[in-house]
Parts: sequence; structure tokens; C-alpha cells
Amino acid sequence: EDKVVQSPLSLVVHEGDTVTLNCSYEVTNFRSLLWYKQEKKAPTFLFMLTSSGIEKKSGRLSSILDKKELFSILNITATQTGDSAIYLCAWSGTYKYIFGTGTRLKVLA
Amino acid sequence: EAQVTQNPRYLITVTGKKLTVTCSQNMNHEYMSWYRQDPGLGLRQIYYSMNVEVTDKGDVPEGYKVSRKEKRNFPLILESPSPNQTSLYFCASSSQYKTGELFFGEGSRLTVL
Repeated sequence: EDKVVQSPLSLVVHEGDTVTLNCSYEVTNFRSLLWYKQEKKAPTFLFMLTSSGIEKKSGRLSSILDKKELFSILNITATQTGDSAIYLCAWSGTYKYIFGTGTRLKVLA
Repeated sequence: EAQVTQNPRYLITVTGKKLTVTCSQNMNHEYMSWYRQDPGLGLRQIYYSMNVEVTDKGDVPEGYKVSRKEKRNFPLILESPSPNQTSLYFCASSSQYKTGELFFGEGSRLTVL
């Protein structure tokens, strides 16, 4: 059975800290791995990763995929209170998407 | 503005009363799908559609129906809702269904009494 596992389930940090969120997957027919941020309602897209070892960056956020070891990490540097959210990773196969249960991040001022 | 629109956003209903949650996208996307989100279980795929008149089951299709008569619309139908279908529902679309970024609607919170 295809599955995506995220860790930790929740995390509390202080502003300025750096966090690393983990996503491991056991799937067949891998196409891509996606990261989303979910605040109050709809998830918003962060990154899509298809190639191993290539880092994607957007401001203080970055992500990398290791297709051999079947995991991805999302790094957030210099965290801010606005980074507080649930972070979701998802595996994309042929027509299907499987999401992890998410990591709930809380950043304290 | 590119968007996925769901209605209703909030609904309280009773067991057995048929309801439809509409979903419409204005991005000319081929792929559309429905998810439910429950605490501790994350987002789970209910149904998806690769294009007009082509749909298939996701991981949790029981109790739901869908149709795709037009490219822009993908309604979710609960023929006889039950309390275990109380959940937050999301519709999403993508232009590259095999690998692509999903664009999500704002969500529909459904309560079945």
C-alpha cells in the first residue's frame, strides 16, 4: 500500500529558529513530491520535486528530494510567526495523490 | 483571477438528505479531484477525473458519487449522507495530472447530524 509519512507530527519553536520537516514515502510509480502550507483553509503550494538531489528554494524555505532513500525535507530558516501552519507533503503518481498527515508548526514570538 | 470555487462553504444537514457540493475551476484544467480532511488522517482522495466523462475512485470513494460533464465543473454528490461523512472537503485541479501542482478550493465544511 502506498503511503506517505511525515515527522514530527508537531513542533513548537521560537522566532529565528531553523526547522527541518521530514517526509518519507513508500510508493510505487513515483512521479513527483509536493509540499504545501495550510493555514486556516486551503493548502497553498510551496514546491514540487521530481529530481533527486536538486534543492528548490523560495526565500527562507527550501526543499530537497532523495529518491534513493525515499524521503524529502523542508527547511525553514529564521522562522517567523507567520510560518505557523500545517505543512503537508504529497506523493503524486499516475492520476493519484497521497498526502501525509502533516506537521503542525507553531512559531512563538 | 485563477481559482477553484466550491459551494457551499458550510453546510449542516441530516442523515439521508441528498446533497451536492459544487466545484468549478476557471483555469481550463484537465484534472480535477475531491479530498476529505479529517483530524489525524490528513487529506484523503475521494474521486478524481482525468478529463470530461472520465472519472475514477480514489482511496475513500464509499458513499460518494461524482460526474464530469463539463471541463470546468466537478460536483461531489452525497446520495444519502451519514454522520461519518462529517468532514472538511476540498476540490482541487491541475493542468498536468501526472505530476502537477494541485490548486485547491477554499473548502466546504459539512456536518451530518
